[in-house]
Amino acid sequence: DAGVIQSPRHEVTEMGQEVTLRCKPISGHDYLFWYRQTMMRGLELLIYFNNNVPIDDSGMPEDRFSAKMPNASFSTLKIQPSEPRDSAVYFCASSLRKTGLIGAGNTIYFGEGSWLTVV
Amino acid sequence: QKEVEQDPGPLSVPEGAIVSLNCTYSNSAFQYFMWYRQYSRKGPELLMYTYSSGNKEDGRFTAQVDKSSKYISLFIRDSQPSDSATYLCAMIGPSTGGSYIPTFGRGTSLIVHP
Repeated sequence: DAGVIQSPRHEVTEMGQEVTLRCKPISGHDYLFWYRQTMMRGLELLIYFNNNVPIDDSGMPEDRFSAKMPNASFSTLKIQPSEPRDSAVYFCASSLRKTGLIGAGNTIYFGEGSWLTVV
Repeated sequence: QKEVEQDPGPLSVPEGAIVSLNCTYSNSAFQYFMWYRQYSRKGPELLMYTYSSGNKEDGRFTAQVDKSSKYISLFIRDSQPSDSATYLCAMIGPSTGGSYIPTFGRGTSLIVHP
C-alpha cells in the first residue's frame, strides 16, 4: 500500500496568496483527518471527514481555512488568504472505522506532511 | 490547562540508557492510550497502544498506564541512536457524537547519542 499521499511536500508562499494542500488517503479508509503541527501548539486536529462528509470542523482556526472531500480518494485543505502565522506542517491522515475501536487496521495513518511557509 | 500534558524536551541520553517518557491527562473518560513515534520530517506512526490501566511490552518498549494518577509512561530499554525521534502520546475516550477522536500530547523530542 502506498500510504497517505500528500502534496506539495514543501510550499513557500507570500502573505495573501491562496494555498491548496492535497491528500490521497489509503484506499478503503473511510475517515480522513487534517492536522496542523507547530512547535508551540503541537498536533492540532483541524477537521475530519467520514465517508466524504465533514463531521467536525471546530478545529479550523478561522474562515480563511476550508476543506473539501469530493470523493473517497481525494481531499483538499485551502487557506485563502494565507498569513505568516499559518506557517506549519499540515498532516493528512486516514483510518478505517472508528478510531476508538483499536485493533489491527483501526489506527490512524499519517502522511509525510506538507511544510508550509508563508512570508 | 490542556487535556494532555507532555514535556517537549529535548531529552538527551547516551546509547544503552533506559528512557522514560511521560504524559499526564485530565479527562478521566480516556480509555485507550497510545504512543506515536515521529522521525524528523516524517508523519507520526503508531508505536504501541494499551487499553485501561496496566503494562504492555513489545520488545524494548513498555507502555504503562496508571488511570488512578492519570499518568502514562513509555519506557525504552537499551536505547539506540535509531530511537531518536519525537514521541507523542495520544488518548481516546467517548466524545460528543461518539466519534472517539484521539487527543495528542505535544510530543517529547528524544536524542540518543552514541
